Amino acid sequence: DGGITQSPKYLFRKEGQNVTLSCEQNLNHDAMYWYRQDPGQGLRLIYYSQIVNDFQKGDIAEGYSVSREKKESFPLTVTSAQKNPTAFYLCASSFSGRAREQYFGPGTRLTVT
Amino acid sequence: GQQLNQSPQSMFIQEGEDVSMNCTSSSIFNTWLWYKQDPGEGPVLLIALYKAGELTSNGRLTAQFGITRKDSFLNISASIPSDVGIYFCAGQLPGGSQGNLIFGKGTKLSVKP
Repeated sequence: DGGITQSPKYLFRKEGQNVTLSCEQNLNHDAMYWYRQDPGQGLRLIYYSQIVNDFQKGDIAEGYSVSREKKESFPLTVTSAQKNPTAFYLCASSFSGRAREQYFGPGTRLTVT
Repeated sequence: GQQLNQSPQSMFIQEGEDVSMNCTSSSIFNTWLWYKQDPGEGPVLLIALYKAGELTSNGRLTAQFGITRKDSFLNISASIPSDVGIYFCAGQLPGGSQGNLIFGKGTKLSVKP
């Protein structure tokens, strides 16, 4: 089955620790995205990548970092510099030509205490 | 930043009723997308619209790209219990970068008590 996987589903961390969220896709999509979702809010773009070894900041990149070493993978690191990291994180991917049709993974809920 | 105004924020449905929701913006968009999100899951793409005036159906769902390119509508006919969830609109600005999807805050559909 083709799709986007995110792991783990739930993640708990202590304040001050960095944490990495996994995102893998086997849809042969070129572009991948990370969004943050807070209760009652729309999705806000953190980072996106159109090709391997290249990525761009979204609207709320501060306190986050990413890498794109493989086409299938786009891990997101939430650093200790992120002031309010508790949120639902969603990864998405799309073909370059139809970038607007983004397909989402199941999400990771991160809780930092 | 750019915003999409999605309304209503929430609504209650009774099985068999038709449902309507919309998204408006002060800016022109060249793409409108409609997603549905179940609790704790990632959004699922329902309908994509690319041309002003376009009317597209997906089963009981019908969406339209407004003539002014500043709005879009989603209708659900003969609603069923599994229609409950949060519906998001998303749009892409003309000339926007590949990651430039802007999301509304969602319309939450619940079952009438």
